Amino acid sequence: SQQGEEDPQALSIQEGENATMNCSYKTSINNLQWYRQNSGRGLVHLILIRSNEREKHSGRLRVTLDTSKKSSSLLITASRAADTASYFCATVQNRDDKIIFGKGTRLHILP
Amino acid sequence: GAGVSQSPSNKVTEKGKDVELRCDPISGHTALYWYRQSLGQGLEFLIYFQGNSAPDKSGLPSDRFSAERTGGSVSTLTIQRTQQEDSAVYLCASSLGYYRGYEQYFGPGTRLTVT
Repeated sequence: SQQGEEDPQALSIQEGENATMNCSYKTSINNLQWYRQNSGRGLVHLILIRSNEREKHSGRLRVTLDTSKKSSSLLITASRAADTASYFCATVQNRDDKIIFGKGTRLHILP
Repeated sequence: GAGVSQSPSNKVTEKGKDVELRCDPISGHTALYWYRQSLGQGLEFLIYFQGNSAPDKSGLPSDRFSAERTGGSVSTLTIQRTQQEDSAVYLCASSLGYYRGYEQYFGPGTRLTVT
């Protein structure tokens, strides 16, 4: 499997519920970033969490990072229809500073 | 201020033709990246520039792909003798510095269709 793999691949939830997406990676990282992509558009940066941080909040977003498990989660609370999008995690590797994107989780918020 | 812009937004070309894709980064951003995204897939790194130089060309899929950046600003990605497998959305991003700690700002992409 590749660096920065998200799961699930697709997620459908009712509006108002919380959505949780996970990202796993393999190598040592400097930081991990989450991006959102609305259909047919460019990616928008959501949040960056550094390897020495465990949790970060931004509005309705909560990101956790567990470097021992090489995993991160993105929680969106009180989901809205506008949250429907694909969400990508991206890891910046320590060995070569490369940023590697996963294949994303497609989130669909049902009205 | 203005974000990253890309042109054209859509390009349909015949197999075997050459295409040029353009990226205008955010003013003052020294780093510029090109990615390719096939339908329903993640981003495939192609190349990045720090200023006008491209230290890492490892992501270019073949010698038909080339990119340049002039004046530390505009970049063009050229695909020669296009093939159907080149059909994808080509995304450009820029950042204040290279990778570490710098978020990337993405353009809207160029959707390339090779017929």
